[in-house]
Amino acid sequence: DSGVTQTPKHLITATGQRVTLRCSPRSGDLSVYWYQQSLDQGLQFLIQYYNGEERAKGNILERFSAQQFPDLHSELNLSSLELGDSALYFCASSERSGSLTGELFFGEGSRLTVL
Amino acid sequence: QQQVKQSPQSLIVQKGGISIINCAYENTAFDYFPWYQQFPGKGPALLIAIRPDVSEKKEGRFTISFNKSAKQFSLHIMDSQPGDSATYFCAASIWGYQKVTFGIGTKLQVIP
Repeated sequence: DSGVTQTPKHLITATGQRVTLRCSPRSGDLSVYWYQQSLDQGLQFLIQYYNGEERAKGNILERFSAQQFPDLHSELNLSSLELGDSALYFCASSERSGSLTGELFFGEGSRLTVL
Repeated sequence: QQQVKQSPQSLIVQKGGISIINCAYENTAFDYFPWYQQFPGKGPALLIAIRPDVSEKKEGRFTISFNKSAKQFSLHIMDSQPGDSATYFCAASIWGYQKVTFGIGTKLQVIP
């Protein structure tokens, strides 16, 4: 158990809809990352937050947004969903109390299916 | 742009054999190279990592070989076991900047 909790585990929705994925990081971790995993693209970095502020941005679509709240949990919002958004979305955390180890701790993912 | 190229994408190895997965990177600023292991239904988990000040790192049956001049690194799994069947991701990052760039992954199947 990595200590990172993601909800929901599975989500089925229709094109054009909006969903919110939630992540609770390991206790004490200040950084939260979002990754998208698909069969042909591997793990694609979307965005990183550190202690409530955006730190790095990757291949995140304009239809997607994220935030990290004061209690350090994070939400990834996906809107105007398209069939191609169907994927596994992973949250990871790191940097417990500012200590840098290089290791990311991943949750078990949220599987999104857009019909 | 795929900054970390990984091959092969799938690999079948007999029990007791050696599994080899190769990765190449483009960004010379990368200085931290982890490998993650992912079992079905689970998130990736750190397996082993190397910094470029050494050319090899071994942990049990798992060894990373690193060639800085060629910008390549590889994972060797000795005496492969069915329990090693998983997807393996190589990755790279700049130490201190936690954004990690992953390879496309290699699905390893170890058959009895």
